[in-house]
Amino acid sequence: DAKTTQPTSMDCAEGRAANLPCNHSTISGNEYVYWYRQIHSQGPQYIIHGLKNNETNEMASLIITEDRKSSTLILPHATLRDTAVYYCIVRVGNAGNMLTFGGGTRLMVKP
Amino acid sequence: SAVISQKPSRDICQRGTSLTIQCQVDSQVTMMFWYRQQPGQSLTLIATANQGSEATYESGFVIDKFPISRPNLTFSTLTVSNMSPEDSSIYLCSVEVLAGVEQFFGPGTRLTVL
Repeated sequence: DAKTTQPTSMDCAEGRAANLPCNHSTISGNEYVYWYRQIHSQGPQYIIHGLKNNETNEMASLIITEDRKSSTLILPHATLRDTAVYYCIVRVGNAGNMLTFGGGTRLMVKP
Repeated sequence: SAVISQKPSRDICQRGTSLTIQCQVDSQVTMMFWYRQQPGQSLTLIATANQGSEATYESGFVIDKFPISRPNLTFSTLTVSNMSPEDSSIYLCSVEVLAGVEQFFGPGTRLTVL
């Protein structure tokens, strides 16, 4: 699976949009981009995933560049409960394969 | 979605002993995985628990140290054998549901080895 690069940490003001970047320059055509987050002392939580089109759900939006070498997770109105470590993962295929976790981005939402 | 429970939620053990962690899912799932998260670190996959056959281990993990069972489509166990303080970690079970692409994670088992 392709390796991802994320900033170690980011801050965001409560109520503002949080934009979390991820580089995956070696991604191949059959690899999807997944985002998970881990709130302290809990198991990781699925947020969103995509292949090449932008995706949106009730939690977040995923913007993937046209060359698919990078993506951005957007939390439109961050709350204090969004403070967590956010993991960007690329995975072969659509199901049945392991997730390879990198270091992630520690997002701190501040009042 | 899937609701996953793990037992125990935490334990403190003596070195040289073994601990078996249980993972129970509320629905049948195709894939079950076991991860380890050492203090301050990211998650590392230990193995894929295969129903009716031996687990598939990742590099650096062996069956003698981490035996795994998966007797059916809703249950799996991970045993941490002959424990040392270096085994102190959070151990997480995850599952992939029959028709989905998301992996759902259990709450984890926090293990401390003295």
